[in-house]
Amino acid sequence: DTEVTQTPKHLVMGMTNKKSLKCEQHMGHRAMYWYKQKAKKPPELMFVYSYEKLSINESVPSRFSPECPNSSLLNLHLHALQPEDSALYLCASSQAGSVREQYFGPGTRLTVT
Amino acid sequence: SQQGEEDPQALSIQEGENATMNCSYKTSINNLQWYRQNSGRGLVHLILIRSNEREKHSGRLRVTLDTSKKSSSLLITASRAADTASYFCATDGGLDSWGKLQFGAGTQVVVTP
Repeated sequence: DTEVTQTPKHLVMGMTNKKSLKCEQHMGHRAMYWYKQKAKKPPELMFVYSYEKLSINESVPSRFSPECPNSSLLNLHLHALQPEDSALYLCASSQAGSVREQYFGPGTRLTVT
Repeated sequence: SQQGEEDPQALSIQEGENATMNCSYKTSINNLQWYRQNSGRGLVHLILIRSNEREKHSGRLRVTLDTSKKSSSLLITASRAADTASYFCATDGGLDSWGKLQFGAGTQVVVTP
């Protein structure tokens, strides 16, 4: 199974809401990633988890809170977002070694109103 | 920050023609990867070329890497309408890069029947 799944596919939330994005993989990968992508731009790395521990936070605002409950799951908790946070949020996973081709999920299209 | 620059930004060709896109990068790499993204969807890994390799093939794809010029090219032969997508190069700096892929700005390819 080479699939990374993400839920929900679409999310509309107000600036005072709290919501969560979910990502799951069953490839035995020990590295998982969150990216943010704006239209016609490349993905921007937000967080990296390696062996369930946060290894990289790319200076992401605290209104985004990642969580890795186990080696297969990755969550992104959202709170008090701004309209400029509207984007496609992509999850990816990879082996944790030196050659790291990444497998991406289909993304969650987030709109903040 | 982006490591790779891609050229051209956009490419429009007819079915059956070849499509070539180029990627330049700035720092040393462990490997370079190419990804495809259909509109609004997740990225799909196409091919990975290691720093000690000069050319790699996968089906209709041919990738070259010139580490002395810090550049790579992706050739899609006999293009099809289904090849319409954005193509991104991404560099992996190896263990020192802490799991980060640096994506280029991307090339939008449109293949018309």
